[in-house]
Amino acid sequence: DGGITQSPKYLFRKEGQNVTLSCEQNLNHDAMYWYRQDPGQGLRLIYYSQIVNDFQKGDIAEGYSVSREKKESFPLTVTSAQKNPTAFYLCASSRGTESYEQYFGPGTRLTVT
Amino acid sequence: AQKITQTQPGMFVQEKEAVTLDCTYDTSDPSYGLFWYKQPSSGEMIFLIYQGSYDQQNATEGRYSLNFQKARKSANLVISASQLGDSAMYFCAMREGSGGYQKVTFGIGTKLQVIP
Repeated sequence: DGGITQSPKYLFRKEGQNVTLSCEQNLNHDAMYWYRQDPGQGLRLIYYSQIVNDFQKGDIAEGYSVSREKKESFPLTVTSAQKNPTAFYLCASSRGTESYEQYFGPGTRLTVT
Repeated sequence: AQKITQTQPGMFVQEKEAVTLDCTYDTSDPSYGLFWYKQPSSGEMIFLIYQGSYDQQNATEGRYSLNFQKARKSANLVISASQLGDSAMYFCAMREGSGGYQKVTFGIGTKLQVIP
């Protein structure tokens, strides 16, 4: 079945450690996105990628990094520079950035203590 | 100003009744689109319905319809014949622009609870 996978569902890390969240899609979509969701807030865009080997900062990119070496994969690294990393992280993809519909993965809940 | 405003933090509806979730938006771009997503407790965002700014008719998808009032800048979601499985968070979102990257902005959501 086509879709987006994110793993793991829950992730725990100690403060000061970098952590990488995976996102894989088999929808053959060109565009991929990372969002962060905090309680009582909507989704905020961290990074997006319109094509392989290209990505752009979103609204809250500080403390995060991404790569897009393959069309199917768009991993997000939460670095120790991110002041409040505990959140729910959602990955999404779309046929292109002009496409109106984004498909979302199940999300990863990151807890940093 | 907020791009997307959802003023109802929580809503209750009786099973089988209809419910309207409010959404107002703010943009000066003539080309934009409005979405509604459902987020169950599992966390995944599920696309429900889309309305383009140039669409003449209100969008409908099964039990979901979007009440698009362009002059008032509102895009309310109407769920007919509510079911227990409709209990979830609902997010209104807007994309702006045309060509190239079109940013999508999300509202803070409305929590809907369907009562048996």
